[in-house]
Amino acid sequence: DTEVTQTPKHLVMGMTNKKSLKCEQHMGHRAMYWYKQKAKKPPELMFVYSYEKLSINESVPSRFSPECPNSSLLNLHLHALQPEDSALYLCASSNGDNEQFFGPGTRLTVL
Amino acid sequence: QKEVEQDPGPLSVPEGAIVSLNCTYSNSAFQYFMWYRQYSRKGPELLMYTYSSGNKEDGRFTAQVDKSSKYISLFIRDSQPSDSATYLCAMSAGGYQKVTFGTGTKLQVIP
Repeated sequence: DTEVTQTPKHLVMGMTNKKSLKCEQHMGHRAMYWYKQKAKKPPELMFVYSYEKLSINESVPSRFSPECPNSSLLNLHLHALQPEDSALYLCASSNGDNEQFFGPGTRLTVL
Repeated sequence: QKEVEQDPGPLSVPEGAIVSLNCTYSNSAFQYFMWYRQYSRKGPELLMYTYSSGNKEDGRFTAQVDKSSKYISLFIRDSQPSDSATYLCAMSAGGYQKVTFGTGTKLQVIP
């Protein structure tokens, strides 16, 4: 099973809302990633968790807060977002060989 | 200079043609090379994964890596309209390090 699942598929939120994106994998991968992708651009790395510890934070604003409750789950907590944060948010997982498998993404719209 | 360069296209070919997609890179530390296919508003799908130099074939797809030239290619034989998508090259030094993406090439296969 090479599947990464993400919920919700779509999310619309106001600038004062708090919401969370969820990601799950059951491939036994020890690294999980959050990416942000704007239209016609490549995915842009936000965070990397390896062995459930945050190993890379690409200077992401604090209104994005990642959480890795266990080796299969990854959350991204959103608070006080801006309209320019509207994008496709992608989760991926891999082992140490960096063969990354992506989920279908959550399409986020901030009003 | 970007670490990974990829022609954004668009590239239009007739059905049945052989398609050649390419990326160049500047970081000698890159050891793992990937090609992803991304349909509009969907997550990237891993097509090919190669470690170090050489060729790898999977059905109609062939990936080539030439580390001496810092050049990678993806060939698609007998292209089909369903191959119409954006193709992203990606590479990394391995471990749980950052994966660097090309900007993507948009391919259209015309029936």
